[in-house]
Amino acid sequence: SSELTQDPAVSVALGQTVRITCQGDSLRSDYATWYQQKPGQAPVLVFYGKNNRPSGIPDRFSGSSSGNTASLTITGAQAEDEADYYCNSRDTNSNHLFGGGTKLTVL
Amino acid sequence: QITVKESGPTLVKPTQTLTLTCTFSEVSVSTSGVSVGWIRQPPGKALEWLAVIYWDDDKRYSPSLKTRVTITKDASENQVVLRLTNMDPVDTATYYCALGSSAVRGWGVFDIWGQGTMVTVSS
Repeated sequence: SSELTQDPAVSVALGQTVRITCQGDSLRSDYATWYQQKPGQAPVLVFYGKNNRPSGIPDRFSGSSSGNTASLTITGAQAEDEADYYCNSRDTNSNHLFGGGTKLTVL
Repeated sequence: QITVKESGPTLVKPTQTLTLTCTFSEVSVSTSGVSVGWIRQPPGKALEWLAVIYWDDDKRYSPSLKTRVTITKDASENQVVLRLTNMDPVDTATYYCALGSSAVRGWGVFDIWGQGTMVTVSS
């Protein structure tokens, strides 16, 4: 199917590790891209490819993938990481897909 | 510093055609490896990809909107234009233009986003 599925909400205690997952058939052939969006702001690219983090993104953000599932891991979550996170990939026709987003709450 | 900026109407009537323009600074949309995408987000909802155009004029459209959406590139003006026909209230959303710079060439990612422009569809 041409969909990406994410858990609607995830919470993590301050300083702990959290994994945000994304599932979809397109992930078997394309890496996931992860965007962070804070309220009232445009999305920001935080991780892409096998192991790529844009300049300025803390190294506590990492990504992984297995089969049809991709994950974004935040190791040592900070208060400023509270945001919506969207996964994105391309299908076999090079059309982009976005997941439904995961709202991360840092407790 | 590369910047991306969307412009267009904030209010359109049902059945009208929406035309949004994306302008860029410090980057050419014709530079090898560059891509430009349009993504929208209805209030309180998820991101939805609409279309992408590449430096070589290759284009892709969302299957669900393919009959209504057109993306074009004006190299001379360094702009990308999105047209969405037959607008409906369900098309009310913030529309983002996003650039995939040559730094992320081939990865299919958008590393620089505009601030977005809110479009309301109402009579």
